[in-house]
Amino acid sequence: EDQVTQSPEALRLQEGESSSLNCSYTVSGLRGLFWYRQDPGKGPEFLFTLYSAGEEKEKERLKATLTKKESFLHITAPKPEDSATYLCAAAGGSNYKLTFGKGTLLTVNP
Amino acid sequence: GAGVSQSPRYKVAKRGQDVALRCDPISGHVSLFWYQQALGQGPEFLTYFQNEAQLDKSGLPSDRFFAERPEGSVSTLKIQRTQQEDSAVYLCASSLEPTTAYEQYFGPGTRLTVT
Repeated sequence: EDQVTQSPEALRLQEGESSSLNCSYTVSGLRGLFWYRQDPGKGPEFLFTLYSAGEEKEKERLKATLTKKESFLHITAPKPEDSATYLCAAAGGSNYKLTFGKGTLLTVNP
Repeated sequence: GAGVSQSPRYKVAKRGQDVALRCDPISGHVSLFWYQQALGQGPEFLTYFQNEAQLDKSGLPSDRFFAERPEGSVSTLKIQRTQQEDSAVYLCASSLEPTTAYEQYFGPGTRLTVT
């Protein structure tokens, strides 16, 4: 059974304090690893897709990386508006579904 | 806007009532997914449509849950005889391509509360 585990569950940073969120996955035949951002009361907002180990993608202060077992979401010099829950999801094998982790709740204090 | 829309945004049902949740996907998107998100958890897969065909319903928790997409566009998730454990946010997502290798775009969700 596909599994996705995110850590930490919650992370509190000061504005400008860089850090990383972890996503460990056990998926047979990974077809894609996805990162989403979710604000309270809203649906997940797509950030990145990674397809193979070694791949990296960047968007503003965010950079996502992928290995054969993990993905990291690096946040450089975060701002309060980066506060949200960050969700990781994996698509594997011939299934149509995404398997999500529980998310990391990021709070950036000014 | 051109995003995924869902209605109603909030629904309160008394235990035992039937509810219907609607999803309008992005125009032209082939794939449509329903997820259930409990408080503090990630979304959990319920069912998947490719056009009008329901190709996977393995995540539906019981036979009280039923989904349809008769014309390959709008979809409805129906829950019969609602129970308290059905309380959750129900998310709909659509994708341009018929494969999970492409990103899914989510709607705002319907928050269902069963009293």
